[in-house]
Amino acid sequence: QSVLTQPPSVSGAPGQRVTISCTGSSSNIGAGYDVHWYQQLPGTAPKLLIYGNNNRPSGVPDRFSGSKSGTSASLAITGLQAEDEADYYCQSYDSSLSGVFGGGTKLTVL
Amino acid sequence: EVQLVESGGGLVKPGGSLRLSCAASGFTFSSYSMNWVRQAPGKGLEWVSSTSSSSSYIYYADSVKGRFTISRDNAKNSLYLQMNSLRAEDTAVYYCAKCSTTTCPPGGFDYWGQGTLVTVSS
Repeated sequence: QSVLTQPPSVSGAPGQRVTISCTGSSSNIGAGYDVHWYQQLPGTAPKLLIYGNNNRPSGVPDRFSGSKSGTSASLAITGLQAEDEADYYCQSYDSSLSGVFGGGTKLTVL
Repeated sequence: EVQLVESGGGLVKPGGSLRLSCAASGFTFSSYSMNWVRQAPGKGLEWVSSTSSSSSYIYYADSVKGRFTISRDNAKNSLYLQMNSLRAEDTAVYYCAKCSTTTCPPGGFDYWGQGTLVTVSS
């Protein structure tokens, strides 16, 4: 059971918009810790996709965006492409300064 | 170019020990907190441990506390994870990951190694 809750799967057709939610609590996201998002393609290491709630590292397309409100965060992907099919994870910290991850969401591009 | 290269994984019997290493290059290693993150086969990511740049602050997941020890050698640009009393549930790919800021929190993990597989089985 992961500390942060994500839907196990989401799907969308090419060109569509999908969102992935990440729900925490007052001891992690709600305590003010930033949320970060990672993309993991099959057989590869995770890649930082969004940092500090809503910032994109250089090279990440602006189709990806993040937001945070209260004890939750969301990742939005617009203009869905086949190459976006991957697992997505949210990550934050808890009050003991331990890292916490969501259980991951598998994105399927139909 | 930032590179993180893990080594030391392998097959070990329950109750055994293993030491993982992560060789870092391409950035000022001594300035950043570093982490170990693992992923069991077919499962999600699990944060394992972190160390601040000078090893002053060290944190562990409850699942490994008392069994695993994180350490670093800034002179050798290397991160380590000593794993004792290994259990079947410790079977996973272990990644080392660099904090995107000098400390974590608040930063995320901006660079990851390729991972090293640890299998705990009799």
